[in-house]
Amino acid sequence: DGGITQSPKYLFRKEGQNVTLSCEQNLNHDTMYWYRQDPGQGLRLIYYSQIVNDFQKGDIAEGYSVSREKKESFPLTVTSAQKNPTAFYLCASSRGAVNYGYTFGSGTRLTVV
Amino acid sequence: GQQLNQSPQSMFIQEGEDVSMNCTSSSIFNTWLWYKQDPGEGPVLLIALYKAGELTSNGRLTAQFGITRKDSFLNISASIPSDVGIYFCAGRRSRDDKIIFGKGTRLHILP
Repeated sequence: DGGITQSPKYLFRKEGQNVTLSCEQNLNHDTMYWYRQDPGQGLRLIYYSQIVNDFQKGDIAEGYSVSREKKESFPLTVTSAQKNPTAFYLCASSRGAVNYGYTFGSGTRLTVV
Repeated sequence: GQQLNQSPQSMFIQEGEDVSMNCTSSSIFNTWLWYKQDPGEGPVLLIALYKAGELTSNGRLTAQFGITRKDSFLNISASIPSDVGIYFCAGRRSRDDKIIFGKGTRLHILP
């Protein structure tokens, strides 16, 4: 079955460390996204990528970095510059450059300890 | 960034009751999407709407694309325990094709 796989499900990080969240999709979707979700908040866009080796900042890109070396993969690095990284991170993908309905992964919960 | 006004923020209902929630905006949208999120999981698409006035059903769920293109609602009939979760609306804004999410409606069902 096609879908999006995020790993790990839970991640703990010490302050000052960088961590990388994985996102892989086998839907042959062109566009991939990273969202951050905090309690009581909607989804806030971090980065998105419409094509390999290209990506654009979303609304809250500071302290995050991404890469898109393959169509199927869009890893997110949470850097030590991100002041409040504890959150639930969701990866999504959609077909085409114009964003139709998303397919979401099951999320990664990052906790800074 | 701009978010949609989704209401209510939370609902407590009895099993078997009908549920209604809505999203409004000052911007015009050309697509409305309704998602459900279970705890610790990613949102799952319930209904997609692409034309003003469109009324679409998915089982006990019914959603409509507002005539003004600035709002949408979702109804759930005869609620059951597995309907518990957070329901998000999302709209694709016409002027820039950007997807905007509401903050969600948390549905609780009382035994």
